[in-house]
Amino acid sequence: GENVEQHPSTLSVQEGDSAVIKCTYSDSASNYFPWYKQELGKRPQLIIDIRSNVGEKKDQRIAVTLNKTAKHFSLHITETQPEDSAVYFCAATLPPFGNEKLTFGTGTRLTIIP
Amino acid sequence: GAVVSQHPSRVICKSGTSVKIECRSLDFQATTMFWYRQFPKQSLMLMATSNEGSKATYEQGVEKDKFLINHASLTLSTLTVTSAHPEDSSFYICSARKEVVFSGNTIYFGEGSWLTVV
Repeated sequence: GENVEQHPSTLSVQEGDSAVIKCTYSDSASNYFPWYKQELGKRPQLIIDIRSNVGEKKDQRIAVTLNKTAKHFSLHITETQPEDSAVYFCAATLPPFGNEKLTFGTGTRLTIIP
Repeated sequence: GAVVSQHPSRVICKSGTSVKIECRSLDFQATTMFWYRQFPKQSLMLMATSNEGSKATYEQGVEKDKFLINHASLTLSTLTVTSAHPEDSSFYICSARKEVVFSGNTIYFGEGSWLTVV
């Protein structure tokens, strides 16, 4: 099955600076890579996702890059704000289409320092 | 985005009893739902895949007789923790897959249910 590794486990950045979280996956057949933000005791919220036919995707301050050759993908948050503080999870899914199961990374606790 | 509702949000039960958690897709039909368990400060671990009208598919190490899953309709899946023990105390969260033609599928999560077994 798929295995997803995520680094770092904790990350503290000054407000306004950028934050980068990296994930690697094991199965080259994985084709969908979402990123979730989770606050304590709440549901994971999808913040951005990327499919294997795209190398980069951006949504305002958030961007995700995918390197299929190296089997890694990264989340980039620019101009960080205190409300960005949360735990972030990457995930990967394997086909077949129509029955994807999410394999999650171990999570990164991001703290934005005012 | 789509809405997935989970109930109850918090439940306390006595050791040895059973508790049922519901997961509903409110504005779309979901042939497939997923159940996860998340211990404090840990990642989400997939327990099983719930398929409408058929048996659930359990991940390795998950006891199917202890965690009963029923996906009787296109909008409802239930997880029943039978003969609960304190070590079953955890955050249980479901997700539902929304199929979008030409765009691929997107996964939406319920709010999660905190189970405490005393």
